[in-house]
Amino acid sequence: ETGVTQTPRHLVMGMTNKKSLKCEQHLGHNAMYWYKQSAKKPLELMFVYSLEERVENNSVPSRFSPECPNSSHLFLHLHTLQPEDSALYLCASSPTGGFVGLYNEQFFGPGTRLTVL
Amino acid sequence: ILNVEQSPQSLHVQEGDSTNFTCSFPSSNFYALHWYRWETAKSPEALFVMTLNGDEKKKGRISATLNTKEGYSYLYIKGSQPEDSATYLCAPCMEYGNKLVFGAGTILRVKS
Repeated sequence: ETGVTQTPRHLVMGMTNKKSLKCEQHLGHNAMYWYKQSAKKPLELMFVYSLEERVENNSVPSRFSPECPNSSHLFLHLHTLQPEDSALYLCASSPTGGFVGLYNEQFFGPGTRLTVL
Repeated sequence: ILNVEQSPQSLHVQEGDSTNFTCSFPSSNFYALHWYRWETAKSPEALFVMTLNGDEKKKGRISATLNTKEGYSYLYIKGSQPEDSATYLCAPCMEYGNKLVFGAGTILRVKS
């Protein structure tokens, strides 16, 4: 596997379910990101991890819980979601975070299309 | 709330036409400007990362310019090809930490 992979690619869940999205990067990067794209809205940053430490929680509801166990893996744990949380969730990575990371391009995965019933 | 405007929203051109899009952002607290191309059913792919006022970047038939004082960037495509059809996203970084704020994008369709 190369680049950034995400599983599952599609997920349908009920409002009472608990599920997790997984992201894995094979690029040796130190920063990872979760983005959300709702219908007809721009890509929106949710979380940033740099060297496995969360450096940004962009006012995201607590029903979304990220986890970064190591620099290659990023999870997004989902519980008691609402139908309005249905969206495309994209993971990305970049070589570094912090100030130097400003100048790094981000590498995106293919996304998970989430539908909440 | 940071306001990133991209225009036009969509563009339909003929193969061989040259085209350009605009990205506007607040000029204060600017760190970097990213351009991405997002083809349908694929992942967004980085085109350019620009940081300096007056910066110009080029990759094949695609080029971009940056004006940080007035807060805009232009993306140019010379001699558009059908494979250029995609959504083009700009994302300024206005805060420490590579926190990008994406515009809504410009959808380009190139007809052969």
